[in-house]
Amino acid sequence: EDQVTQSPEALRLQEGESSSLNCSYTVSGLRGLFWYRQDPGKGPEFLFTLYSAGEEKEKERLKATLTKKESFLHITAPKPEDSATYLCAVQGGSSGSARQLTFGSGTQLTVLP
Amino acid sequence: ETGVTQSPTHLIKTRGQQVTLRCSSQSGHNTVSWYQQALGQGPQFIFQYYREEENGRGNFPPRFSGLQFPNYSSELNVNALELDDSALYLCASTLNQETQYFGPGTRLLVL
Repeated sequence: EDQVTQSPEALRLQEGESSSLNCSYTVSGLRGLFWYRQDPGKGPEFLFTLYSAGEEKEKERLKATLTKKESFLHITAPKPEDSATYLCAVQGGSSGSARQLTFGSGTQLTVLP
Repeated sequence: ETGVTQSPTHLIKTRGQQVTLRCSSQSGHNTVSWYQQALGQGPQFIFQYYREEENGRGNFPPRFSGLQFPNYSSELNVNALELDDSALYLCASTLNQETQYFGPGTRLLVL
């Protein structure tokens, strides 16, 4: 059974204070690791897909990296508008033909001005 | 904007009732997945439809059922509602089971 654990559960940063969010996973045959951003009361917004260890992707102040056991979402010089819950999900080979996502519980990020 | 829409946005039902939630997929996307998200948790997979057939199911009882139509819109039906069914219900559409793009969700409250 695929499992995803995210830490910390909540993180408060001052504007401009860089940090990283962690996503640890166990999966039978990783097809992809996904990062989403979710604002309160809204659906998750797609950020990145990573497919293999060593891969990195960047978008504005966000950078996602992947190893064989975990992924990090690095946030450089965050702004208050980066405040949201960040969700990590894996798509594993055990899902058969249905490529469902297994999500972690998320990290709730608050960036203070 | 993902192009995925859901209706209604909010819904209040009483225990034992039945509910139908609707999703309109992004144009051309042939796969739709439904997820349940309890407060403070990540989304949990309910089931997936690919070209109008159920393609996989998570750990949800048979009273959760669905349909996908030729125009790629879909429905989630829940019978005999229970208090624990209160959650945000999300649909996600994909093309050929690649990246999943989520709609805004339907907030269901069961009293």
